[in-house]
Amino acid sequence: QSVLTQPPSVSGAPGQRVTISCTGSSSNIGAGYDVHWYQQLPGTAPKLLIFGNNNRPSGVPDRFSGSKSGTSASLAISGLQAEDEADYYCQSYDSRLSGYVFGTGTKVTV
Amino acid sequence: QLQLQESGPGLVRPSETLSLTCIVSRGSISSSRYSWGWIRQPPGKGLEWIGNMSYSGSAYYNPSLKSRVTISVNTSKNQFSLRLSPVTAADTAVYYCARQRNEDYLDYWGQGTLVTVSS
Repeated sequence: QSVLTQPPSVSGAPGQRVTISCTGSSSNIGAGYDVHWYQQLPGTAPKLLIFGNNNRPSGVPDRFSGSKSGTSASLAISGLQAEDEADYYCQSYDSRLSGYVFGTGTKVTV
Repeated sequence: QLQLQESGPGLVRPSETLSLTCIVSRGSISSSRYSWGWIRQPPGKGLEWIGNMSYSGSAYYNPSLKSRVTISVNTSKNQFSLRLSPVTAADTAVYYCARQRNEDYLDYWGQGTLVTVSS
């Protein structure tokens, strides 16, 4: 049972903008720990998409952006493309559990 | 570009020990900037952090698995390992190894290996 809650699924038409929420608590996101996002294409390993709340690794399109406020974080995908169909996970650290935690995951359908 | 590759048995019997190795290539495992970790994903489910270890030997484990998990690093072979014992069917999952940067995010992942626990 994850301590970071995400919507099970979101969908959008090509070119649209979608957002994925990641809701935590005062022992993880609300405690100031950074949030990171991963994209998992079908049948493949997760790939780092956003680190440190709003930073993109080299090679990740600027259509992907992250934000954090209070006990929640969000991932936005603008100009949605068919290749963005994947599962997306947020990740942070939880001081109460003394460990790293992942979100429940969100399936994006284009 | 750094590469990680998991290896180990794909089938483990209940109550026995799951042992996996992650071979790191095109980069050194000996850096204070990184720790080396394991994550798993049961079929059709989400990701679960198992634990990590720095090259210096400091280890951190998921509290829910701590009593059964050991992670070790072999700097001479540039690889690290996972041992989980005893296992049950609930440990059936794809196991990923990954590099954890600054004790924070996971920037490089292996391709994953499916381990099935069954008699």
